[in-house]
Amino acid sequence: EVQLVESGGTLVQPGGSLRLSCAASGFTSSSYWMSWVRQAPGKGLEWVANIKQDGSEKYYVDSVKGRFTISRDNAKNSLYLQMNSLRAEDTAVYYCEAGGNGMDVWGQGTMVTVSS
Amino acid sequence: QSVLTQPPSASGTPGQRVTISCSGSSSNIGTNYVYWYQQFPGTAPKLLIYRNNQRPSGVPDRFSGSKSGTSASLAISGLRSEDEADYYCAAWDDSLSGRVFGGGTKLTVL
Repeated sequence: EVQLVESGGTLVQPGGSLRLSCAASGFTSSSYWMSWVRQAPGKGLEWVANIKQDGSEKYYVDSVKGRFTISRDNAKNSLYLQMNSLRAEDTAVYYCEAGGNGMDVWGQGTMVTVSS
Repeated sequence: QSVLTQPPSASGTPGQRVTISCSGSSSNIGTNYVYWYQQFPGTAPKLLIYRNNQRPSGVPDRFSGSKSGTSASLAISGLRSEDEADYYCAAWDDSLSGRVFGGGTKLTVL
């Protein structure tokens, strides 16, 4: 079965750090761009970052530049998001996504809550 | 305030044809592909349309996409109750060097 499974979401204090992971199975994730997309409670989708197949290109939304780092380990079929200096406005469900040319897979999401 | 503009809501009756618009600019829709996603409450989004008007395998041909200039549209024909969901458009933005989403349209089947 083709799937992505995120993990690592939890409650964290403002200013804290968190690392999200996304494990791919059932397909060759190394063949696709991968992304993190988040959705704040009751809000729409917001793209966070994406990374090229070989990790040579990475892009971020302005609001997370300098705080978040996207990375991947193709040997482990995994995607990561290191989140530092977390703010209340980072509270959201974080989805990982892999796709291209009509192929598109999303994980079930992992909840990150930033609150004291 | 989303970079891509969608109507917050749309509605139709079963069997009807409904269209959802997505307005952007020359740096996103005007020069890059448009994608459409369907999302049900509490679940992950699902790709409906890619590269402006292509349907992934398994998406019914009741769903179609089009693009003209800096705007795009998603059309749903033969509306069904199970089409009631949120719909989002997305595109790459060359000025922002990032992907942008519309604010989403909640479709209600009356």
